[in-house]
Amino acid sequence: LAKTTQPISMDSYEGQEVNITCSHNNIATNDYITWYQQFPSQGPRFIIQGYKTKVTNEVASLFIPADRKSSTLSLPRVSLSDTAVYYCLVGGFLLTGGGNKLTFGTGTQLKVEL
Amino acid sequence: SQTIHQWPATLVQPVGSPLSLECTVEGTSNPNLYWYRQAAGRGLQLLFYSVGIGQISSEVPQNLSASRPQDRQFILSSKKLLLSDSGFYLCALQGGSGVNTEAFFGQGTRLTVV
Repeated sequence: LAKTTQPISMDSYEGQEVNITCSHNNIATNDYITWYQQFPSQGPRFIIQGYKTKVTNEVASLFIPADRKSSTLSLPRVSLSDTAVYYCLVGGFLLTGGGNKLTFGTGTQLKVEL
Repeated sequence: SQTIHQWPATLVQPVGSPLSLECTVEGTSNPNLYWYRQAAGRGLQLLFYSVGIGQISSEVPQNLSASRPQDRQFILSSKKLLLSDSGFYLCALQGGSGVNTEAFFGQGTRLTVV
Protein backbone atom coordinates (compact mmCIF):
# COMPACT_ATOMS: atom_id res chain seq x y z
CA LEU A 1 0.00 0.00 0.00
CA ALA A 2 1.12 3.54 -0.73
CA LYS A 3 2.47 5.37 2.30
CA THR A 4 0.85 8.67 3.16
CA THR A 5 2.27 11.81 4.74
CA GLN A 6 0.12 14.45 6.42
CA PRO A 7 0.79 17.41 8.70
CA ILE A 8 0.61 16.39 12.33
CA SER A 9 -1.62 19.27 13.33
CA MET A 10 -3.45 22.33 12.03
CA ASP A 11 -5.24 25.22 13.73
CA SER A 12 -8.13 27.22 12.36
CA TYR A 13 -10.99 29.48 13.39
CA GLU A 14 -14.69 29.06 12.99
CA GLY A 15 -15.99 30.05 9.58
CA GLN A 16 -12.72 29.53 7.76
CA GLU A 17 -11.99 27.04 5.04
CA VAL A 18 -9.48 24.37 5.99
CA ASN A 19 -7.36 22.48 3.50
CA ILE A 20 -5.44 19.39 4.62
CA THR A 21 -2.97 17.98 2.14
CA CYS A 22 -1.81 14.39 2.00
CA SER A 23 1.20 13.16 0.04
CA HIS A 24 1.15 9.68 -1.50
CA ASN A 25 3.99 9.57 -4.00
CA ASN A 26 3.81 5.80 -4.54
CA ILE A 27 0.10 5.60 -5.29
CA ALA A 28 -0.77 2.74 -7.62
CA THR A 29 -3.04 2.84 -10.64
CA ASN A 30 -5.91 1.08 -8.89
CA ASP A 31 -5.63 2.98 -5.62
CA TYR A 32 -8.42 5.19 -4.38
CA ILE A 33 -7.93 8.00 -1.87
CA THR A 34 -10.16 8.02 1.17
CA TRP A 35 -10.44 10.40 4.10
CA TYR A 36 -11.76 9.60 7.56
CA GLN A 37 -12.58 11.73 10.57
CA GLN A 38 -12.13 10.60 14.16
CA PHE A 39 -13.40 12.18 17.34
CA PRO A 40 -11.94 11.20 20.72
CA SER A 41 -13.08 7.79 21.97
CA GLN A 42 -14.94 7.04 18.75
CA GLY A 43 -14.15 5.01 15.67
CA PRO A 44 -13.19 6.83 12.46
CA ARG A 45 -15.98 7.94 10.19
CA PHE A 46 -15.84 8.01 6.40
CA ILE A 47 -15.80 11.52 4.93
CA ILE A 48 -15.05 11.29 1.24
CA GLN A 49 -13.37 9.17 -1.40
CA GLY A 50 -12.01 9.92 -4.84
CA TYR A 51 -9.84 8.65 -7.65
CA LYS A 52 -8.98 11.76 -9.63
CA THR A 53 -9.90 15.41 -10.17
CA LYS A 54 -12.50 16.71 -7.75
CA VAL A 55 -15.14 15.07 -5.62
CA THR A 56 -17.65 16.97 -3.50
CA ASN A 57 -20.26 15.85 -1.02
CA GLU A 58 -22.32 17.55 1.65
CA VAL A 59 -19.44 17.84 4.11
CA ALA A 60 -16.21 18.20 2.13
CA SER A 61 -14.41 18.39 -1.17
CA LEU A 62 -11.48 16.32 -2.30
CA PHE A 63 -9.02 17.68 -4.84
CA ILE A 64 -6.69 15.28 -6.61
CA PRO A 65 -4.17 16.56 -9.18
CA ALA A 66 -3.50 14.77 -12.43
CA ASP A 67 -0.43 12.93 -11.14
CA ARG A 68 -2.41 11.74 -8.09
CA LYS A 69 0.68 11.98 -5.89
CA SER A 70 -1.16 14.14 -3.41
CA SER A 71 -4.70 15.04 -2.41
CA THR A 72 -6.31 17.87 -0.50
CA LEU A 73 -9.30 17.59 1.76
CA SER A 74 -11.20 20.86 1.90
CA LEU A 75 -13.60 21.62 4.74
CA PRO A 76 -15.68 24.73 4.03
CA ARG A 77 -16.52 27.08 6.91
CA VAL A 78 -15.36 24.89 9.78
CA SER A 79 -17.00 24.98 13.18
CA LEU A 80 -15.87 23.90 16.63
CA SER A 81 -17.42 20.49 16.01
CA ASP A 82 -14.96 19.86 13.20
CA THR A 83 -12.15 19.57 15.73
CA ALA A 84 -10.96 16.02 15.16
CA VAL A 85 -8.21 13.90 13.66
CA TYR A 86 -8.35 13.49 9.89
CA TYR A 87 -6.79 10.47 8.22
CA CYS A 88 -5.84 10.05 4.59
CA LEU A 89 -5.78 6.47 3.27
CA VAL A 90 -4.70 5.11 -0.04
CA GLY A 91 -5.75 1.65 -1.09
CA GLY A 92 -6.69 -0.53 -3.96
CA PHE A 93 -9.73 -2.50 -4.92
CA LEU A 94 -10.98 -5.30 -2.81
CA LEU A 95 -10.59 -8.51 -4.67
CA THR A 96 -12.91 -11.41 -4.18
CA GLY A 97 -11.15 -13.82 -1.92
CA GLY A 98 -8.35 -11.36 -1.35
CA GLY A 99 -8.10 -8.40 0.94
CA ASN A 100 -7.27 -4.77 1.17
CA LYS A 101 -5.49 -3.81 4.34
CA LEU A 102 -7.02 -0.68 5.73
CA THR A 103 -3.89 0.98 7.08
CA PHE A 104 -4.10 4.32 8.82
CA GLY A 105 -1.26 6.80 9.16
CA THR A 106 -0.85 9.19 12.07
CA GLY A 107 -3.47 11.61 10.81
CA THR A 108 -3.82 15.38 11.16
CA GLN A 109 -5.19 16.86 14.38
CA LEU A 110 -7.38 19.80 13.39
CA LYS A 111 -8.22 22.25 16.15
CA VAL A 112 -10.91 24.83 15.47
CA GLU A 113 -11.22 27.80 17.78
CA LEU A 114 -13.68 30.66 18.15
CA SER B 1 -27.39 -0.82 5.86
CA GLN B 2 -24.17 -2.15 7.31
CA THR B 3 -23.86 -2.04 11.07
CA ILE B 4 -21.22 -3.21 13.45
CA HIS B 5 -21.62 -4.15 17.08
CA GLN B 6 -18.76 -4.16 19.50
CA TRP B 7 -18.81 -4.75 23.25
CA PRO B 8 -18.15 -4.02 26.01
CA ALA B 9 -17.57 -0.26 25.85
CA THR B 10 -15.12 -0.29 28.73
CA LEU B 11 -13.21 -3.06 30.43
CA VAL B 12 -10.78 -3.18 33.32
CA GLN B 13 -8.79 -6.37 33.59
CA PRO B 14 -5.89 -7.45 35.83
CA VAL B 15 -2.54 -8.38 34.38
CA GLY B 16 -2.41 -12.04 33.48
CA SER B 17 -6.15 -12.41 32.98
CA PRO B 18 -7.67 -13.58 29.68
CA LEU B 19 -9.44 -11.34 27.20
CA SER B 20 -12.22 -11.85 24.70
CA LEU B 21 -13.67 -8.99 22.69
CA GLU B 22 -16.42 -9.75 20.25
CA CYS B 23 -17.46 -7.93 17.13
CA THR B 24 -20.50 -8.81 15.05
CA VAL B 25 -21.69 -7.21 11.84
CA GLU B 26 -25.01 -6.97 10.01
CA GLY B 27 -26.17 -5.92 6.60
CA THR B 28 -23.38 -7.45 4.58
CA SER B 29 -21.94 -10.80 3.66
CA ASN B 30 -18.32 -11.84 3.32
CA PRO B 31 -16.96 -8.55 4.65
CA ASN B 32 -13.35 -7.75 5.38
CA LEU B 33 -13.04 -7.40 9.13
CA TYR B 34 -10.35 -5.57 11.08
CA TRP B 35 -9.13 -5.14 14.65
CA TYR B 36 -7.26 -1.95 15.53
CA ARG B 37 -5.70 -0.66 18.72
CA GLN B 38 -5.22 2.98 19.52
CA ALA B 39 -3.03 4.10 22.39
CA ALA B 40 -3.84 7.41 24.04
CA GLY B 41 -3.11 10.28 21.67
CA ARG B 42 -1.79 7.98 18.98
CA GLY B 43 -2.94 6.72 15.59
CA LEU B 44 -4.68 3.47 14.77
CA GLN B 45 -2.50 0.37 14.72
CA LEU B 46 -3.82 -2.44 12.57
CA LEU B 47 -3.65 -5.67 14.57
CA PHE B 48 -5.51 -8.26 12.50
CA TYR B 49 -7.61 -8.45 9.40
CA SER B 50 -9.74 -11.20 7.96
CA VAL B 51 -11.09 -11.72 4.46
CA GLY B 52 -13.21 -14.75 5.33
CA ILE B 53 -14.13 -17.43 7.86
CA GLY B 54 -11.04 -18.85 9.48
CA GLN B 55 -8.73 -16.52 7.53
CA ILE B 56 -6.70 -14.28 9.80
CA SER B 57 -3.72 -12.12 8.98
CA SER B 58 -1.63 -10.66 11.77
CA GLU B 59 0.09 -7.35 11.26
CA VAL B 60 2.30 -7.17 14.33
CA PRO B 61 3.69 -9.77 16.70
CA GLN B 62 1.95 -9.41 20.00
CA ASN B 63 0.19 -10.97 22.91
CA LEU B 64 -3.13 -11.10 21.10
CA SER B 65 -4.89 -13.43 18.68
CA ALA B 66 -7.97 -13.21 16.52
CA SER B 67 -10.50 -15.66 15.21
CA ARG B 68 -13.37 -15.57 12.78
CA PRO B 69 -15.65 -18.49 13.52
CA GLN B 70 -18.53 -17.13 11.46
CA ASP B 71 -18.77 -14.80 8.48
CA ARG B 72 -20.07 -11.93 10.60
CA GLN B 73 -18.18 -12.54 13.82
CA PHE B 74 -14.67 -11.45 14.66
CA ILE B 75 -13.11 -12.14 18.06
CA LEU B 76 -10.00 -10.66 19.64
CA SER B 77 -8.44 -12.72 22.42
CA SER B 78 -5.55 -12.97 24.79
CA LYS B 79 -4.59 -15.74 27.18
CA LYS B 80 -2.70 -13.46 29.55
CA LEU B 81 -3.00 -9.69 29.37
CA LEU B 82 -0.03 -7.39 29.75
CA LEU B 83 -0.03 -3.79 30.91
CA SER B 84 0.97 -2.80 27.38
CA ASP B 85 -2.27 -4.27 26.04
CA SER B 86 -4.17 -1.29 27.42
CA GLY B 87 -5.76 0.87 24.76
CA PHE B 88 -8.81 1.61 22.68
CA TYR B 89 -9.77 -1.36 20.53
CA LEU B 90 -11.80 -0.87 17.40
CA CYS B 91 -13.43 -3.37 15.09
CA ALA B 92 -14.12 -2.35 11.51
CA LEU B 93 -15.84 -3.86 8.51
CA GLN B 94 -15.42 -3.21 4.84
CA GLY B 95 -18.05 -4.59 2.50
CA GLY B 96 -16.92 -7.49 0.37
CA SER B 97 -18.65 -6.35 -2.80
CA GLY B 98 -15.47 -6.35 -4.85
CA VAL B 99 -15.03 -2.59 -5.01
CA ASN B 100 -13.19 -0.13 -2.82
CA THR B 101 -15.82 0.71 -0.26
CA GLU B 102 -15.82 2.75 2.88
CA ALA B 103 -15.12 1.11 6.20
CA PHE B 104 -17.49 1.20 9.14
CA PHE B 105 -16.20 1.18 12.69
CA GLY B 106 -17.67 -0.03 15.94
CA GLN B 107 -17.91 2.16 18.99
CA GLY B 108 -14.74 0.69 20.44
CA THR B 109 -13.71 -0.91 23.72
CA ARG B 110 -11.54 0.99 26.15
CA LEU B 111 -9.38 -1.66 27.81
CA THR B 112 -7.37 -0.85 30.91
CA VAL B 113 -5.03 -3.51 32.21
CA VAL B 114 -4.16 -2.98 35.86
